[in-house]
Parts: sequence; structure tokens; C-alpha cells
Amino acid sequence: LAKTTQPISMDSYEGQEVNITCSHNNIATNDYITWYQQFPSQGPRFIIQGYKTKVTNEVASLFIPADRKSSTLSLPRVSLSDTAVYYCLVGDGAAGNKLTFGGGTRVLVKP
Amino acid sequence: EPEVTQTPSHQVTQMGQEVILRCVPISNHLYFYWYRQILGQKVEFLVSFYNNEISEKSEIFDDQFSVERPDGSNFTLKIRSTKLEDSAMYFCASSDSLGDRSNTGELFFGEGSRLTVL
Repeated sequence: LAKTTQPISMDSYEGQEVNITCSHNNIATNDYITWYQQFPSQGPRFIIQGYKTKVTNEVASLFIPADRKSSTLSLPRVSLSDTAVYYCLVGDGAAGNKLTFGGGTRVLVKP
Repeated sequence: EPEVTQTPSHQVTQMGQEVILRCVPISNHLYFYWYRQILGQKVEFLVSFYNNEISEKSEIFDDQFSVERPDGSNFTLKIRSTKLEDSAMYFCASSDSLGDRSNTGELFFGEGSRLTVL
């Protein structure tokens, strides 16, 4: 699986947009990019997945440039409850065997 | 909304004791997983299970670990002789697919079972 690099932590304020960029320079042709969210003492929760360009759902947007060597998770107008760790994963089938989590980005939303 | 349920939520055991962690995956899911997360560290893959056999396992999943789907609903993780370093949160997950270009292959995780080995 492609290795991912993301910032260790980010601080934000309520109502702001949070953008987390993940680098995956050796992403393979068949790899998808998937983001999970984890609250303290809870299991990870799927947020969004994409292959190229832009994907949007009710929770977030995912921007993937043409070279696919990075991706940016965008959380619009965050609230205190969005404080969590966000993981970027790359693989050919997000639920495929041996889904590998990196260190994630700890997002702290302040009032 | 269907969910993965895990029991117990917290178990305290003595080193060397056997522990069984139980999971009830989402009913129509076919792929089952165990992950663990040591306090303050990242989520680590342990094992995946499909069609009543292990599909893949990590180097963490040694002979002390085993998984079983004893009936149509439960998926268990057994640690035969616990060690101090087995203390962690253990997450069960399930999926209805491996993911391909037509679906996300999303993993649904349970709330976890916290294991404390003394």
C-alpha cells in the first residue's frame, strides 16, 4: 500500500473551513484515496472516498489533483464536535485486506 | 442504522489468562476484521476473515491469537495467554465488499473493547 504523509495536528475555530492535505507520492493506478474520522475511544468512521478530481458528500469534500500524488480533505464550517483524528488511506479497494492506518491528523476545533 | 457491536466494552485480566472478545458484525456483511489501537498510537491491522477462513494477517497476529465465527452472527478474537503488551483497544470491523470502482468498500467499525492486562 502507498505510504501517506499528513500533518500531525491542526487547530481551527468553530465555523471555519478545515483543509487537511495528505501526500501519497507513490500512489498506484488502481489505488483509491479514503478518509476516516476517529473520535476518542471510538472506532474509525468512513468519511469519504475518491479516485480523481473532486468528490463531495454531506460531510466533506475531497480534492484530488490530476497527478493524484496528494489529496485534500475539506471540512466546511467545523463545529466543536468535529474535533477528532482524521486518517488518509490509500489502497486498491478501501475495505481491502490489511487496511493500513497512518498516524492521522489530530484536528482540534476551538470555540 | 445497522452497526457493529462489541462485547465486553472493557475487560481487565491477569497476564497469562485467556481472553475472548466478541463482535456482532452487520448482518449482511461478508468480510470481517480485527484491529487494535494501543493507547496514544495508531490503529493497527490484525486479521481479516472471509468465507470462514483468515484472508490475511499481520505480524502482530501470532500463535497467541485466533479468530472464529462460531455461528452466523458472532465473530470472536481469542488471545490465548495475554501479555502486558496486549493491553489495547480492540476494534472489530465488517464490510459487504472489498471495494472496487463501483462501491467504496467501506469498513464499519464497532465501538471497541478495551483490554487491560495486569
